[in-house]
Amino acid sequence: DVKVTQSSRYLVKRTGEKVFLECVQDMDHENMFWYRQDPGLGLRLIYFSYDVKMKEKGDIPEGYSVSREKKERFSLILESASTNQTSMYLCASSRHRVSSYNEQFFGPGTRLTVL
Amino acid sequence: KNQVEQSPQSLIILEGKNCTLQCNYTVSPFSNLRWYKQDTGRGPVSLTIMTFSENTKSNGRYTATLDADTKQSSLHITASQLSDSASYICVVSKGAPSDKLIFGTGTRLQVFP
Repeated sequence: DVKVTQSSRYLVKRTGEKVFLECVQDMDHENMFWYRQDPGLGLRLIYFSYDVKMKEKGDIPEGYSVSREKKERFSLILESASTNQTSMYLCASSRHRVSSYNEQFFGPGTRLTVL
Repeated sequence: KNQVEQSPQSLIILEGKNCTLQCNYTVSPFSNLRWYKQDTGRGPVSLTIMTFSENTKSNGRYTATLDADTKQSSLHITASQLSDSASYICVVSKGAPSDKLIFGTGTRLQVFP
């Protein structure tokens, strides 16, 4: 079974703090994704990566950055957390780049609250 | 505009009953459509995937249908169980070159004994 793990299930931070969300997958997947999920808005793509040290912006990259130093690990960074970044953050991975039939396997999510 | 709309937003049914969830999309180009199940506090898990040429796909008590002409899909749950309580998300893939996924906002299903 594919396993995607996220470093924290719940996180509370203060405005202005730097926040790191870690994601690890154990199936040698090439693609990794970060989404945020808000009520009434569905999942929105923040950043994704098709390879180590490679990143591409999604639909809502502002206020976020990412890092992929190893194939299995994809980190989401909030340089200076703000209250409007309070959300559920979901990491996902999938096998190969060139296929829209790829199933994305999701982690359990991190519920981040910024006070 | 590429959109995926789901209805109803929420649904309450009694255990053992059937239900149908709807998904309408305006995504173009179209590659495939997935239904995901998301339990509370967990990430989404894929239930079915259908391409343009498929009009029905089953996974146990879950049956998805697709009408590519009207751009509608449905997810039918038969003989519901308490464990079916979850959010169900419809996701449409645009296909090459972007492979972009367009997510619906989900239907929240609650099954009561």
